[in-house]
Amino acid sequence: EVQLLQSGAEVKKAGESLQISCQGSGYSFINYWIGWVRQMPGKGLEWVGIFCPADSDARYSPSFRGRVTLSADKSVNTAYLQWSSLQASDTARYFCARLPGTVGIPSTMVTTDGYFDYWGQGTLVTVSS
Amino acid sequence: EIVLTQSPGTLSLSPGERATLSCRASQSLSDTYLGWYQQRPGQAPRLLISGAFRRATGIPDRFSGSGSGTDFTLTISRLEPEDSAVYYCQQYGSSVWTFGPGTKVEIK
Repeated sequence: EVQLLQSGAEVKKAGESLQISCQGSGYSFINYWIGWVRQMPGKGLEWVGIFCPADSDARYSPSFRGRVTLSADKSVNTAYLQWSSLQASDTARYFCARLPGTVGIPSTMVTTDGYFDYWGQGTLVTVSS
Repeated sequence: EIVLTQSPGTLSLSPGERATLSCRASQSLSDTYLGWYQQRPGQAPRLLISGAFRRATGIPDRFSGSGSGTDFTLTISRLEPEDSAVYYCQQYGSSVWTFGPGTKVEIK
């Protein structure tokens, strides 16, 4: 059974750094891209970016590029979303989710495999100013 | 960036009724690149449909997707109480993937 287990809730102050995690199990972690999605309180879903554990290829939404860093540790089947300096506006729940295909994502980002078939439970990040 | 607009904002229907949810794209989109998700309160989103009409594994056949170009539809043929949720469309046919704002389905 495919599962994505995310780290627990975090409470931080503005300016602090943070890394949250997403551990995959039940499938070949290295072969599937992992995506991240933000959901601010009471709001909809926003695509943050995707990361390929096999070759560390990272793609970011323009809204998040430069603000977050995606990475993974293949040895522990875990993907990470990192901030170097949090802002109050980063307060949200962050979901990791798996892309369904094992082929590469083209640089155009146009792909039949651009949807998310399995999701983590979400990590709530609260940042106080 | 392709902007997705969903309507209506909220749909309030009784069990057994049919729900029709709309997702409109700001630019023409191949049906290959449109998905639908269900998010129940307090839960993570769940994939319902990919490629505009392909049901995901384990999704009941009362959920169906259709559409092409700029207009896509998610239909729930016979509503059940557990269908109370927010439904999001997502496009992955451009350089920036985007989600629609969601349609909330309430079961009377």
